[in-house]
Amino acid sequence: NAGVTQTPKFQVLKTGQSMTLQCAQDMNHNSMYWYRQDPGMGLRLIYYSASEGTTDKGEVPNGYNVSRLNKREFSLRLESAAPSQTSVYFCASSWTGSQPQHFGDGTRLSIL
Amino acid sequence: KNEVEQSPQNLTAQEGEFITINCSYSVGISALHWLQQHPGGGIVSLFMLSSGKKKHGRLIATINIQEKHSSLHITASHPRDSAVYICAAPPQGGSEKLVFGKGTKLTVNP
Repeated sequence: NAGVTQTPKFQVLKTGQSMTLQCAQDMNHNSMYWYRQDPGMGLRLIYYSASEGTTDKGEVPNGYNVSRLNKREFSLRLESAAPSQTSVYFCASSWTGSQPQHFGDGTRLSIL
Repeated sequence: KNEVEQSPQNLTAQEGEFITINCSYSVGISALHWLQQHPGGGIVSLFMLSSGKKKHGRLIATINIQEKHSSLHITASHPRDSAVYICAAPPQGGSEKLVFGKGTKLTVNP
């Protein structure tokens, strides 16, 4: 059972480079989420998608864009990476916003 | 915005001890989530509860809606319970955007 799959697992970027984090779920969930986790802080929501074709900002959306390509896939794009975006990124999905979320294994991203 | 506070931040116990982790929130909610983050980084949902108590194996979660407080208990703790335990609550008026506590790091020594 794959669940929520994130790629890549690790990435090092230089300041100003761009990249896309990929997330796919095979549970037919409607809602998908992108979080970042920084030392000493709780998980913070970057963007979420309540259904295919819709996205909405979370607590820390600046510097990021998202795309809900279809029901399975929800990608996160950094257009011009900054050192402040060094973090561990988690993708999650759930049936609806009021249901338990299933998390991917995370992407550890370092920006030099 | 809902403020979610957990205590303690760190907890060290001996194998077999009864563990309690606390979570308080500032705004009335529809349900509260408890999650576990393994030492390797993976996150799993343990409970979602809106009232009373839920039990899964040696884990018990309780919630008091009036007092805006929830507890996670672990009975007969084991070293494999060592993890970060996180509570999360939706903001007032919305259930999509969970607000997460900073987590409680539990270490259970043999």
